[in-house]
Amino acid sequence: ETGVTQSPTHLIKTRGQQVTLRCSSQSGHNTVSWYQQALGQGPQFIFQYYREEENGRGNFPPRFSGLQFPNYSSELNVNALELDDSALYLCASSRPLDSNEQFFGPGTRLTVL
Amino acid sequence: QQQVKQSPQSLIVQKGGISIINCAYENTAFDYFPWYQQFPGKGPALLIAIRPDVSEKKEGRFTISFNKSAKQFSLHIMDSQPGDSATYFCAASRDFGNEKLTFGTGTRLTIIP
Repeated sequence: ETGVTQSPTHLIKTRGQQVTLRCSSQSGHNTVSWYQQALGQGPQFIFQYYREEENGRGNFPPRFSGLQFPNYSSELNVNALELDDSALYLCASSRPLDSNEQFFGPGTRLTVL
Repeated sequence: QQQVKQSPQSLIVQKGGISIINCAYENTAFDYFPWYQQFPGKGPALLIAIRPDVSEKKEGRFTISFNKSAKQFSLHIMDSQPGDSATYFCAASRDFGNEKLTFGTGTRLTIIP
């Protein structure tokens, strides 16, 4: 088990709603990356936060946004939910000064109805 | 140029046999190649990683073979056990802090008695 925690574990929303997912990074890690994993697919990079600033973004629309707090925990916000947003959302923490080794949390399973 | 191609999609191996999963990448800037193991309902767990300064890395029953000229790398699981049944993902990135991971599509491995 990594020291990365995520909440909630599962979430059911309806189309058009907004959702906030939370992640606490492993102790000593100051970088959090968010990934979306659709069923049967590999994780896709959404964005990364480093020292409370967005530091790189994948091919996701602006309705996907995030925050990082001074304690390095992070939030992923998704507005105007669509059916295709149903996926496992993973956060990974890392300490870039050491390496690019990223340690994943258990994920939040989001279902959009 | 950011793709990582993984094969096979699924693999069935008898207990005690060798499981082999292959990946190929296109971006020659990649220089960090981790493998992740994922059980149903869990986040990916870092299994083993290699950097291109070596052609092989072994940790217990798990070995990565790396061919820089062919831009290919593979995971070998020796003496495969039923507990190894999981989905395996290869990934690649630059070995530089704050780099996103580009994942393969995954291989579902089943070890049969």
